[in-house]
Amino acid sequence: EAGVAQSPRYKIIEKRQSVAFWCNPISGHATLYWYQQILGQGPKLLIQFQNNGVVDDSQLPKDRFSAERLKGVDSTLKIQPAKLEDSAVYLCASSLGSGAQSDTQYFGPGTRLTVL
Amino acid sequence: KQEVTQIPAALSVPEGENLVLNCSFTDSAIYNLQWFRQDPGKGLTSLLLIQSSQREQTSGRLNASLDKSSGRSTLYIAASQPGDSATYLCAVNGGKLIFGQGTELSVKP
Repeated sequence: EAGVAQSPRYKIIEKRQSVAFWCNPISGHATLYWYQQILGQGPKLLIQFQNNGVVDDSQLPKDRFSAERLKGVDSTLKIQPAKLEDSAVYLCASSLGSGAQSDTQYFGPGTRLTVL
Repeated sequence: KQEVTQIPAALSVPEGENLVLNCSFTDSAIYNLQWFRQDPGKGLTSLLLIQSSQREQTSGRLNASLDKSSGRSTLYIAASQPGDSATYLCAVNGGKLIFGQGTELSVKP
């Protein structure tokens, strides 16, 4: 079974530029998550989709971050414009069900973003 | 607001030692707690999931315990090996996963 795919794996940009990340979840998984992991910290949930609807985006900085999940499959996360503090690893995860208490999340390898 | 803390932040042990990683959380209203492993440049791999009604879970050389009333969990690794070197993260699920900052483990041959 193929895992969660993410691209690119690495990205270096200058502040105020735009960047987009792509995630392809495990086939058949209804729920998709984007996390931000700053160096030395644990991942923090940015947004959760169930199919193509948003379940939780309470920690997404909506003035600069946006995300979409078209047709309930692939997802893109965009930052525009980027700030220095956005330097982090962006992890995508998916789960089979609705994200309920016993639903296991499977993580992709992440995209490491460096903002100069 | 749920806060998750892991101690120690880093740990170095010789091969063969048994070791314990600690995780504490502030809000006991959780569905479950998970321990993950993260290797450099890679995503997270789920090791063990303990439901709130359970006290412990075991998988091979790993044993995780949960004391919900005191807000604590431990991950016990028996007979550590160099291949166990990684960052270990605990996460509590009270509706969404809240992660600790991780313990970076190094097992020396």
